[in-house]
Amino acid sequence: EDQVTQSPEALRLQEGESSSLNCSYTVSGLRGLFWYRQDPGKGPEFLFTLYSAGEEKEKERLKATLTKKESFLHITAPKPEDSATYLCAVPPGTGRRALTFGSGTRLQVQP
Amino acid sequence: NAGVTQTPKFQVLKTGQSMTLQCAQDMNHEYMSWYRQDPGMGLRLIHYSVGAGITDQGEVPNGYNVSRSTTEDFPLRLLSAAPSQTSVYFCASSYTVSARVHEQFFGPGTRLTVL
Repeated sequence: EDQVTQSPEALRLQEGESSSLNCSYTVSGLRGLFWYRQDPGKGPEFLFTLYSAGEEKEKERLKATLTKKESFLHITAPKPEDSATYLCAVPPGTGRRALTFGSGTRLQVQP
Repeated sequence: NAGVTQTPKFQVLKTGQSMTLQCAQDMNHEYMSWYRQDPGMGLRLIHYSVGAGITDQGEVPNGYNVSRSTTEDFPLRLLSAAPSQTSVYFCASSYTVSARVHEQFFGPGTRLTVL
């Protein structure tokens, strides 16, 4: 059974203080990994898809990387507007029906 | 493109009432799904569809029905609302290639309260 674990559960940063969020996974064959951002009261917003170990994707202050066991979401010089919950998920494998989501990391960036 | 749209945004029901949550997408995605999100429980799949006329159950289907008569629309029906169905409901869609589900795009959600 696919498992996705995110750490830390919550992270508080000062504006400009760079850090990384972790998403470790156990799957029967890597089929890709998705990162989402979710603001309070809103639906998850798609950020990145990573398909193979070594792949990297960037968007503004965010950079996602992937290894065979985990993915990192690096946040460089964050701003208060980066405050949100960040979710990672893996797509369903053969015979499964749903994405498997991690429980998320709640990020708060203080000015 | 509007992406994935959901109506209503908020709804309050009494126990035993029925209602339909609407979901539509304009991206021509084959795969559509309904999730509920509860504090401490994460996102849980209720029902999903891999194309018009094809639906199947997710992990928490009891008390909900779905149908998919068109590619664009995927309504979720609550048959007889119960307080346990108080939640935030998200509809999502994605494209598939060779039955492989790719990144899902979510709607803004419907916040449902059942009294």
